[in-house]
Amino acid sequence: NAGVTQTPKFQVLKTGQSMTLQCAQDMNHNSMYWYRQDPGMGLRLIYYSASEGTTDKGEVPNGYNVSRLNKREFSLRLESAAPSQTSVYFCASRGSSGNTIYFGEGSWLTVV
Amino acid sequence: AQSVAQPEDQVNVAEGNPLTVKCTYSVSGNPYLFWYVQYPNRGLQFLLKYITGDNLVKGSYGFEAEFNKSQTSFHLKKPSALVSDSALYFCAVRDIGGVTGGGNKLTFGTGTQLKVEL
Repeated sequence: NAGVTQTPKFQVLKTGQSMTLQCAQDMNHNSMYWYRQDPGMGLRLIYYSASEGTTDKGEVPNGYNVSRLNKREFSLRLESAAPSQTSVYFCASRGSSGNTIYFGEGSWLTVV
Repeated sequence: AQSVAQPEDQVNVAEGNPLTVKCTYSVSGNPYLFWYVQYPNRGLQFLLKYITGDNLVKGSYGFEAEFNKSQTSFHLKKPSALVSDSALYFCAVRDIGGVTGGGNKLTFGTGTQLKVEL
């Protein structure tokens, strides 16, 4: 029972490099989310997708793009990484009839 | 806009003693309220939620939380703490009736580190 799966788990990038964080869920959920976690700031919503084919900005979308590839997958792309994007990134999903959001195990990203 | 406050960065309690982790919220409509726990280098795990009904909600691992509408609070409690309860706890709110249409978004507090000592 995989739930929400994120890759990679750890990544080090140089400033200006690009990368994509992958996320997939096997719970047939409609809504998917990307959060970042920083010390003392809790979790902040980057982007979310209420259903396949739709995406919306969250609280901190600058410097990121997302793609809802299909119902299962929701990827987060950093086009030109900056040190301020050093963080732990969490993907999450929620079913249409449920209220609970389920999280992946996180991706630790360091930009040097 | 919806918001959550966790006023304590850290709570220390002795094993066997009761624990309380505080949370207050602000929404324009009716709230859905959640507690999550995070162990080191792991994702967030769902503990419990309040949607409607009984103000006292029971969840995983012996935790419970009380919804208080007049005080806009949703404090997490456990009658007898265990060392294994030591973790980072997050309160979250979803505004299901807000004018900003925030019904699909969950807003988190900054987290409270719980330390249970022998």
